[in-house]
Amino acid sequence: QKEVEQDPGPLSVPEGAIVSLNCTYSNSAFQYFMWYRQYSRKGPELLMYTYSSGNKEDGRFTAQVDKSSKYISLFIRDSQPSDSATYLCAMSSDLRNRDDKIIFGKGTRLHILP
Amino acid sequence: DTGVSQDPRHKITKRGQNVTFRCDPISEHNRLYWYRQTLGQGPEFLTYFQNEAQLEKSRLLSDRFSAERPKGSFSTLEIQRTEQGDSAMYLCASSSRAGGFSPLHFGNGTRLTVT
Repeated sequence: QKEVEQDPGPLSVPEGAIVSLNCTYSNSAFQYFMWYRQYSRKGPELLMYTYSSGNKEDGRFTAQVDKSSKYISLFIRDSQPSDSATYLCAMSSDLRNRDDKIIFGKGTRLHILP
Repeated sequence: DTGVSQDPRHKITKRGQNVTFRCDPISEHNRLYWYRQTLGQGPEFLTYFQNEAQLEKSRLLSDRFSAERPKGSFSTLEIQRTEQGDSAMYLCASSSRAGGFSPLHFGNGTRLTVT
């Protein structure tokens, strides 16, 4: 079992719809949960991060973490064609530690249809 | 903020040749990471530096790969005797260890094609 599982998609939704992206993980030591967006031929850019369980909202984006289920989600409201990209979840146990590293999911390709 | 810069953007080489990539991190960041990303996959950790010290190397990093960060600023990643399986996007990222959570800031990568 991989440490982080993410459905690669592609996921196609009409403009204006609510998008739900998610990841599951196996390592209960993960404490930091991140979502990165990657456009074609570009490096990943950080969208949001959360620490431990709970929700976090930033504009049209909401990140949720359920540590009891080892499940994280990213919701995009009022989706726009410019949201079309690959969304990567990423996790880490403790970024203060000497041997910390961030583990990424495979990414979900999202297409917003105008 | 000039961001993380990587050079070259693309590199095409023949199998067996050596290649070197360069990464210039965000100036105040003291941690620098190398990741590799193949089509349809997320970035895979290769190695990271804190200042000039290389603190961890993934088992993905074979003996043909070497990374340096001689003065704690820019870094180079060299691949010797390239193989077709080395074809990938090589991503560099940096972060700050000033305290608290510091996310990775990625460059736009170097795309390597080995023919």
